Amino acid sequence: GAVVSQHPSRVICKSGTSVKIECRSLDFQATTMFWYRQFPKQSLMLMATSNEGSKATYEQGVEKDKFLINHASLTLSTLTVTSAHPEDSSFYICSARNQPYEQYFGPGTRLTVT
Amino acid sequence: AQSVTQPDIHITVSEGASLELRCNYSYGATPYLFWYVQSPGQGLQLLLKYFSGDTLVQGIKGFEAEFKRSQSSFNLRKPSVHWSDAAEYFCAVGADNNDMRFGAGTRLTVKP
Repeated sequence: GAVVSQHPSRVICKSGTSVKIECRSLDFQATTMFWYRQFPKQSLMLMATSNEGSKATYEQGVEKDKFLINHASLTLSTLTVTSAHPEDSSFYICSARNQPYEQYFGPGTRLTVT
Repeated sequence: AQSVTQPDIHITVSEGASLELRCNYSYGATPYLFWYVQSPGQGLQLLLKYFSGDTLVQGIKGFEAEFKRSQSSFNLRKPSVHWSDAAEYFCAVGADNNDMRFGAGTRLTVKP
C-alpha cells in the first residue's frame, strides 16, 4: 500500500510555456502533500506544503506565483510551473501523507525547459 | 527548526565490505528519523525509520540504523555491501509540525 504516482515522468517544454505536474495517492487519502525539487547531485529542497482544500504554504524563496499548487482532493495535488525558464529545469518530487510523520514519495518528474 | 548533516559526500567501499553512513541531526525534541535511497533518475525508497522504542532499527535490503540521542546521530549500517547498493543515500528528520528536512546526501560507490 501507500503508493504515490506522478505524471508525467518526463516533460520537455519551451521557455515561456507552463507545465502541470500531477501527484496522486493511489491507495490512500492524503491530507497533506509536499512538493520538493532536486537539482543534479543535490538534496531535496522542500518547496511547499499543501493541505486539501486550503492554500499551499510555500517555503521562503519559492515564488508562489510561479509555482502554483492546487490540492483539490484528498488524492490529487498539482504543481504548475508557469512561464517556465531554463533555470526551472529540475527533478520535482511530491510526497503524500495520511498520518503524522510518514511521507510516501512519488517517483519524480524530470522537467527540462529549452 | 530541525536540520540534518551528512558529513560524507561520497564514500567508496569494496563489494562485501561493511558500510556505515553518518547522519547527525539537530532538533530540540525527539526527532523522527528516516533513511532513504535514491537510484539515478528515480524517486526515493524508504530504507528504515525511527519514531520511538528500540534504538536499533532494522530496515529493508539488510540495512540497519542506530539512534544515539547523546550523539544526535542516526548512522546507517550494512555488514556486507552488494554492487546493487550503489546509489545516493539521504537521511531525513521529521518534526512535530510534520515537516521533513533532508541531508545533503551521501553517494555510495561499490568497487568490484
